[in-house]
Amino acid sequence: AQSVTQLDSHVSVSEGTPVLLRCNYSSSYSPSLFWYVQHPNKGLQLLLKYTSAATLVKGINGFEAEFKKSETSFHLTKPSAHMSDAAEYFCVVSDRRGDDKIIFGKGTRLHILP
Amino acid sequence: NAGVTQTPKFRILKIGQSMTLQCTQDMNHNYMYWYRQDPGMGLKLIYYSVGAGITDKGEVPNGYNVSRSTTEDFPLRLELAAPSQTSVYFCASNILAGTEYNEQFFGPGTRLTVL
Repeated sequence: AQSVTQLDSHVSVSEGTPVLLRCNYSSSYSPSLFWYVQHPNKGLQLLLKYTSAATLVKGINGFEAEFKKSETSFHLTKPSAHMSDAAEYFCVVSDRRGDDKIIFGKGTRLHILP
Repeated sequence: NAGVTQTPKFRILKIGQSMTLQCTQDMNHNYMYWYRQDPGMGLKLIYYSVGAGITDKGEVPNGYNVSRSTTEDFPLRLELAAPSQTSVYFCASNILAGTEYNEQFFGPGTRLTVL
Protein backbone atom coordinates (compact mmCIF):
# COMPACT_ATOMS: atom_id res chain seq x y z
CA ALA A 1 0.00 0.00 0.00
CA GLN A 2 1.25 3.44 -0.77
CA SER A 3 1.60 6.15 1.84
CA VAL A 4 3.05 9.62 2.30
CA THR A 5 4.55 11.25 5.38
CA GLN A 6 5.22 14.93 5.80
CA LEU A 7 7.86 15.07 8.45
CA ASP A 8 7.04 18.50 9.89
CA SER A 9 3.61 19.84 10.75
CA HIS A 10 4.98 23.39 11.09
CA VAL A 11 8.05 25.09 9.63
CA SER A 12 9.14 28.65 10.38
CA VAL A 13 11.73 30.51 8.32
CA SER A 14 12.78 34.13 8.04
CA GLU A 15 11.96 36.06 4.89
CA GLY A 16 14.81 35.73 2.40
CA THR A 17 16.11 32.43 3.81
CA PRO A 18 15.76 28.98 2.19
CA VAL A 19 12.69 26.82 2.61
CA LEU A 20 12.74 23.03 3.02
CA LEU A 21 9.53 21.04 3.44
CA ARG A 22 10.12 17.33 3.80
CA CYS A 23 8.08 14.52 2.31
CA ASN A 24 8.74 10.77 2.33
CA TYR A 25 6.63 8.31 0.41
CA SER A 26 6.08 4.60 0.16
CA SER A 27 5.06 2.94 -3.09
CA SER A 28 5.61 -0.48 -4.58
CA TYR A 29 5.93 0.87 -8.10
CA SER A 30 6.89 4.15 -9.72
CA PRO A 31 4.67 6.77 -8.19
CA SER A 32 3.45 10.13 -9.36
CA LEU A 33 4.18 12.79 -6.75
CA PHE A 34 2.65 16.22 -6.32
CA TRP A 35 2.99 19.26 -4.09
CA TYR A 36 -0.04 21.48 -3.56
CA VAL A 37 -0.29 24.79 -1.75
CA GLN A 38 -3.30 26.09 0.15
CA HIS A 39 -3.42 29.73 1.15
CA PRO A 40 -5.74 30.65 4.05
CA ASN A 41 -9.41 30.15 3.24
CA LYS A 42 -8.60 29.05 -0.31
CA GLY A 43 -8.67 25.83 -2.28
CA LEU A 44 -5.59 23.80 -3.16
CA GLN A 45 -3.38 24.79 -6.09
CA LEU A 46 -0.78 22.62 -7.81
CA LEU A 47 2.83 23.73 -7.18
CA LEU A 48 4.59 20.99 -9.12
CA LYS A 49 4.42 17.34 -10.08
CA TYR A 50 6.77 14.43 -10.77
CA THR A 51 5.69 11.74 -13.22
CA SER A 52 8.85 9.72 -14.01
CA ALA A 53 10.56 12.30 -16.22
CA ALA A 54 13.35 14.53 -14.83
CA THR A 55 14.01 13.93 -11.14
CA LEU A 56 14.39 17.66 -10.40
CA VAL A 57 11.04 19.29 -10.92
CA LYS A 58 10.52 23.03 -11.12
CA GLY A 59 7.20 24.51 -10.10
CA ILE A 60 5.53 27.85 -9.77
CA ASN A 61 6.70 30.74 -7.58
CA GLY A 62 10.33 29.55 -7.47
CA PHE A 63 9.64 26.20 -5.79
CA GLU A 64 11.28 22.98 -6.85
CA ALA A 65 11.43 19.39 -5.63
CA GLU A 66 13.79 16.50 -6.20
CA PHE A 67 12.63 12.91 -6.54
CA LYS A 68 15.11 10.61 -4.77
CA LYS A 69 14.12 6.99 -5.23
CA SER A 70 16.91 5.64 -3.01
CA GLU A 71 15.69 7.80 -0.13
CA THR A 72 11.97 7.60 -1.05
CA SER A 73 11.81 11.36 -0.65
CA PHE A 74 10.30 14.27 -2.55
CA HIS A 75 11.31 17.33 -0.54
CA LEU A 76 10.12 20.80 -1.56
CA THR A 77 12.60 23.67 -1.58
CA LYS A 78 12.81 27.34 -2.40
CA PRO A 79 16.03 29.39 -2.24
CA SER A 80 14.52 32.51 -0.71
CA ALA A 81 11.25 32.70 1.19
CA HIS A 82 8.76 35.47 0.61
CA MET A 83 5.98 36.57 2.93
CA SER A 84 3.44 35.43 0.36
CA ASP A 85 4.72 31.83 0.73
CA ALA A 86 3.01 31.54 4.12
CA ALA A 87 0.50 28.74 3.54
CA GLU A 88 -0.23 25.04 4.05
CA TYR A 89 1.62 22.63 1.77
CA PHE A 90 0.51 19.11 0.92
CA CYS A 91 2.58 16.28 -0.52
CA VAL A 92 0.54 13.76 -2.53
CA VAL A 93 1.38 10.34 -3.96
CA SER A 94 -0.51 8.26 -6.48
CA ASP A 95 0.27 5.01 -8.25
CA ARG A 96 -2.28 3.39 -10.53
CA ARG A 97 -0.36 0.14 -10.58
CA GLY A 98 -0.47 0.00 -6.79
CA ASP A 99 -3.54 0.85 -4.75
CA ASP A 100 -4.90 3.08 -7.51
CA LYS A 101 -5.50 5.76 -4.89
CA ILE A 102 -4.41 9.36 -4.44
CA ILE A 103 -2.95 9.76 -0.95
CA PHE A 104 -2.53 13.14 0.75
CA GLY A 105 -0.02 13.93 3.46
CA LYS A 106 -1.30 15.71 6.57
CA GLY A 107 0.21 19.01 5.50
CA THR A 108 2.99 21.34 6.60
CA ARG A 109 2.16 24.88 7.63
CA LEU A 110 4.88 27.28 6.54
CA HIS A 111 5.33 30.43 8.62
CA ILE A 112 7.43 33.30 7.30
CA LEU A 113 9.04 35.55 9.88
CA PRO A 114 9.72 39.19 8.93
CA ASN B 1 -12.90 27.81 -18.28
CA ALA B 2 -14.33 28.34 -14.81
CA GLY B 3 -12.60 25.19 -13.58
CA VAL B 4 -14.25 23.61 -10.53
CA THR B 5 -17.03 25.61 -8.92
CA GLN B 6 -18.75 24.90 -5.62
CA THR B 7 -21.86 26.30 -4.01
CA PRO B 8 -22.58 27.49 -1.42
CA LYS B 9 -19.41 29.04 0.01
CA PHE B 10 -20.74 29.00 3.57
CA ARG B 11 -23.66 27.29 5.29
CA ILE B 12 -24.90 26.85 8.83
CA LEU B 13 -27.17 23.86 9.47
CA LYS B 14 -29.08 22.71 12.49
CA ILE B 15 -28.66 19.13 13.69
CA GLY B 16 -30.86 16.81 11.65
CA GLN B 17 -31.26 19.13 8.67
CA SER B 18 -30.23 18.05 5.19
CA MET B 19 -28.51 19.85 2.36
CA THR B 20 -26.73 19.33 -0.94
CA LEU B 21 -23.32 20.72 -1.74
CA GLN B 22 -23.03 21.41 -5.43
CA CYS B 23 -19.91 20.83 -7.53
CA THR B 24 -19.49 21.48 -11.25
CA GLN B 25 -16.46 21.25 -13.52
CA ASP B 26 -16.19 22.40 -17.12
CA MET B 27 -12.94 20.65 -18.07
CA ASN B 28 -14.54 17.37 -19.22
CA HIS B 29 -12.70 15.49 -16.46
CA ASN B 30 -13.96 11.98 -15.85
CA TYR B 31 -12.71 11.70 -12.26
CA MET B 32 -14.33 13.75 -9.51
CA TYR B 33 -13.81 13.71 -5.75
CA TRP B 34 -15.23 15.04 -2.51
CA TYR B 35 -12.91 15.71 0.41
CA ARG B 36 -13.40 17.11 3.86
CA GLN B 37 -10.71 19.08 5.64
CA ASP B 38 -10.67 19.34 9.41
CA PRO B 39 -8.13 21.59 11.15
CA GLY B 40 -4.69 19.99 11.24
CA MET B 41 -5.96 16.77 9.69
CA GLY B 42 -5.22 17.17 6.01
CA LEU B 43 -7.81 16.03 3.48
CA LYS B 44 -9.96 12.93 3.83
CA LEU B 45 -11.71 11.40 0.83
CA ILE B 46 -15.47 11.05 1.23
CA TYR B 47 -16.59 9.75 -2.19
CA TYR B 48 -15.23 9.71 -5.69
CA SER B 49 -16.47 9.01 -9.20
CA VAL B 50 -14.64 7.68 -12.23
CA GLY B 51 -17.35 8.75 -14.65
CA ALA B 52 -21.05 9.46 -15.07
CA GLY B 53 -23.12 6.82 -13.31
CA ILE B 54 -20.19 5.40 -11.31
CA THR B 55 -19.43 6.35 -7.71
CA ASP B 56 -17.48 4.73 -4.91
CA LYS B 57 -16.80 5.24 -1.23
CA GLY B 58 -13.66 6.86 0.05
CA GLU B 59 -12.18 6.88 3.53
CA VAL B 60 -15.06 8.61 5.41
CA PRO B 61 -18.37 8.04 3.53
CA ASN B 62 -20.73 7.63 6.51
CA GLY B 63 -23.42 10.30 6.65
CA TYR B 64 -23.01 11.32 3.00
CA ASN B 65 -24.36 10.33 -0.38
CA VAL B 66 -23.39 11.26 -3.92
CA SER B 67 -24.64 10.90 -7.44
CA ARG B 68 -23.06 11.47 -10.84
CA SER B 69 -25.67 11.78 -13.56
CA THR B 70 -23.49 13.93 -15.84
CA THR B 71 -19.77 14.35 -16.45
CA GLU B 72 -19.93 17.93 -15.16
CA ASP B 73 -21.82 17.61 -11.86
CA PHE B 74 -21.04 15.72 -8.67
CA PRO B 75 -23.33 16.81 -5.80
CA LEU B 76 -22.74 15.71 -2.21
CA ARG B 77 -25.79 15.11 -0.04
CA LEU B 78 -25.93 15.31 3.77
CA GLU B 79 -29.15 13.69 4.94
CA LEU B 80 -29.12 14.16 8.73
CA ALA B 81 -26.53 16.75 9.64
CA ALA B 82 -24.47 16.11 12.76
CA PRO B 83 -21.92 18.34 14.55
CA SER B 84 -19.18 15.92 13.47
CA GLN B 85 -19.82 17.02 9.88
CA THR B 86 -18.68 20.55 10.64
CA SER B 87 -15.80 20.93 8.21
CA VAL B 88 -14.60 22.50 5.00
CA TYR B 89 -15.58 20.49 1.95
CA PHE B 90 -13.60 20.49 -1.27
CA CYS B 91 -14.58 19.12 -4.63
CA ALA B 92 -11.85 18.18 -7.09
CA SER B 93 -11.51 16.70 -10.56
CA ASN B 94 -8.83 15.24 -12.80
CA ILE B 95 -8.15 12.91 -15.72
CA LEU B 96 -5.72 10.18 -16.53
CA ALA B 97 -2.64 11.38 -18.41
CA GLY B 98 -1.46 8.28 -20.17
CA THR B 99 -1.31 5.68 -17.43
CA GLU B 100 -1.00 8.09 -14.51
CA TYR B 101 -3.29 10.55 -12.78
CA ASN B 102 -2.95 14.12 -13.86
CA GLU B 103 -3.04 16.79 -11.18
CA GLN B 104 -6.31 17.45 -9.39
CA PHE B 105 -8.11 20.76 -9.79
CA PHE B 106 -9.85 21.95 -6.65
CA GLY B 107 -12.88 24.10 -6.05
CA PRO B 108 -12.75 26.98 -3.52
CA GLY B 109 -14.48 24.97 -0.81
CA THR B 110 -17.70 25.05 1.20
CA ARG B 111 -17.42 25.90 4.89
CA LEU B 112 -20.17 24.03 6.73
CA THR B 113 -21.09 24.46 10.39
CA VAL B 114 -23.61 22.17 12.08
CA LEU B 115 -25.05 23.50 15.35
